Amino acid sequence: QQQVKQSPQSLIVQKGGISIINCAYENTAFDYFPWYQQFPGKGPALLIAIRPDVSEKKEGRFTISFNKSAKQFSLHIMDSQPGDSATYFCAASRETSGSRLTFGEGTQLTVNP
Amino acid sequence: ETGVTQSPTHLIKTRGQQVTLRCSSQSGHNTVSWYQQALGQGPQFIFQYYREEENGRGNFPPRFSGLQFPNYSSELNVNALELDDSALYLCASSLDAGDYEQYFGPGTRLTVT
Repeated sequence: QQQVKQSPQSLIVQKGGISIINCAYENTAFDYFPWYQQFPGKGPALLIAIRPDVSEKKEGRFTISFNKSAKQFSLHIMDSQPGDSATYFCAASRETSGSRLTFGEGTQLTVNP
Repeated sequence: ETGVTQSPTHLIKTRGQQVTLRCSSQSGHNTVSWYQQALGQGPQFIFQYYREEENGRGNFPPRFSGLQFPNYSSELNVNALELDDSALYLCASSLDAGDYEQYFGPGTRLTVT
């Protein structure tokens, strides 16, 4: 059972554009929603995370939007740069399972110069 | 501050063999989680170790086992290797079992032939 579904599978954006990646979750017990960035040959790196008590969190060019009623959250990358080209994973966790993360399938982002 | 390190970087084994992967957690972190990432997929939680005890396990068979040492470094052992075990094995450390933020190492690429 896949508890976190991510879309799209791949995304191509022009430099300066906005990249949007979406995730939907099933388990309402999830209470922590991070996004990870992974470059080829590297481990995932924590990018930004949100708790369900807020609807939006912004850090630099990265914003998470969270819709608790729809059980959806999304990552927006403003002013996308070629250096942002990587695979992005959404994930979810719940307090009762400690820091165990359930990941989405990933989105391969390509930002063209 | 030293980040999460893993060894070896790459490994090739034959079906039926056994393998041991190693992880050193980030300084000050007492919790280590292991994930399996198949090609083109999101990481899947294998298990977590907190203060030398297993603290949660994902949907992996018993031939996947682990250890955590007093210095909080950890090992992942896989017995009776199968072709489907070919994957990137990621180790992540967190400050404590209840800490949501996890920091990943670069991973060990295991190929089973």
